[in-house]
Amino acid sequence: DSGVTQTPKHLITATGQRVTLRCSPRSGDLSVYWYQQSLDQGLQFLIQYYNGEERAKGNILERFSAQQFPDLHSELNLSSLELGDSALYFCASSGGGQGPYEQYFGPGTRLTVT
Amino acid sequence: AQSVAQPEDQVNVAEGNPLTVKCTYSVSGNPYLFWYVQYPNRGLQFLLKYITGDNLVKGSYGFEAEFNKSQTSFHLKKPSALVSDSALYFCAVRPHTGGFKTIFGAGTRLFVKA
Repeated sequence: DSGVTQTPKHLITATGQRVTLRCSPRSGDLSVYWYQQSLDQGLQFLIQYYNGEERAKGNILERFSAQQFPDLHSELNLSSLELGDSALYFCASSGGGQGPYEQYFGPGTRLTVT
Repeated sequence: AQSVAQPEDQVNVAEGNPLTVKCTYSVSGNPYLFWYVQYPNRGLQFLLKYITGDNLVKGSYGFEAEFNKSQTSFHLKKPSALVSDSALYFCAVRPHTGGFKTIFGAGTRLFVKA
């Protein structure tokens, strides 16, 4: 168990809908990262927050947004969902921001868009 | 552009034989280097990292990795493979400067045959 929790584990929704994925980092970790993993695209970095502030942005679509709250948990919002958004979404946390910090991954949320 | 390459989609090895999973990178400066493992239906788990110093880094589950600055490589190794090592392995690179982003390779599937 990495100490990172993600809810829900599974999510099935229809095209055009909006969903929110939630992540609680390990106790004491200030950084939260979001990744998308699909069969054909591998692990794609979406966005990183450090102590409530956005610090790095990857291949995150405009339909997607995220935030980190004062208690350090984070939410990833996906809107106007398309079939291609079906994937595993991982949250990870680390102790610091820029530096040799390894990331600890949650179990993921499997999103299926029908 | 900064990138990480894992040239083999799959590595097959017999149990008890040594294994190598290759990783090369194209990043300016001397980045931090990581290896992660992903078992089916699980999040990624941190295996080991290179920060500085000795080129041979030891990690979890008997794995080690060799850093080669001139070849910009960071190959994962294990002297004697186990069937339970069968999983998806990711190499990751974090530049020292220029932001907080970690760049992941596409992953290499390791299959250890009994």
